Amino acid sequence: LAKTTQPISMDSYEGQEVNITCSHNNIATNDYITWYQQFPSQGPRFIIQGYKTKVTNEVASLFIPADRKSSTLSLPRVSLSDTAVYYCLVGNQAGTALIFGKGTTLSVSS
Amino acid sequence: EAGVVQSPRYKIIEKKQPVAFWCNPISGHNTLYWYLQNLGQGPELLIRYENEEAVDDSQLPKDRFSAERLKGVDSTLKIQPAELGDSAVYLCASSLGGRSAYNEQFFGPGTRLTVL
Repeated sequence: LAKTTQPISMDSYEGQEVNITCSHNNIATNDYITWYQQFPSQGPRFIIQGYKTKVTNEVASLFIPADRKSSTLSLPRVSLSDTAVYYCLVGNQAGTALIFGKGTTLSVSS
Repeated sequence: EAGVVQSPRYKIIEKKQPVAFWCNPISGHNTLYWYLQNLGQGPELLIRYENEEAVDDSQLPKDRFSAERLKGVDSTLKIQPAELGDSAVYLCASSLGGRSAYNEQFFGPGTRLTVL
């Protein structure tokens, strides 16, 4: 299973765009890239998932270069409520073999 | 629609005592997961069920941990006897299952276990 590396923490201010990059050099051909968000005292919550190029939903965008060895989660105009831990995961298409690392703790200040 | 339900939310026990956690997945979800999460760490998979069959329990410490998913719906995770190092949050998640598409995992709020 491909391992991922992401920054331990990031700080931002309200209204800014936040980009969290994750490296996954050993990603397999059939692996998908998925990001989850976790607030304190809650279970993780799915944010976005992609295989290549760019994926966008109402919450975030996911950018995946052609070699797929890294990916970037982009959060537009963050607010205080976006303060959370963000996990980058690489796994099979079924999403059953996910390995969570330590994630990136994003702190948003006013 | 109700999400994944877990109970209890908090449990405090003394070491060597048994403890059980219960999970009710989202209706219609065939895949059920139990994770353990230590403070400052990401969740670690303990066991995955496809319906009532445990298909991945390689990370479950079988000397003291057991799980069951009778009738392929609710599930219980048991620890007997509990040790101090078992203090953690135990998360249950469920997903639709199937092979044709990515299956988003929906997590419950977790049970915070404290072993004294």
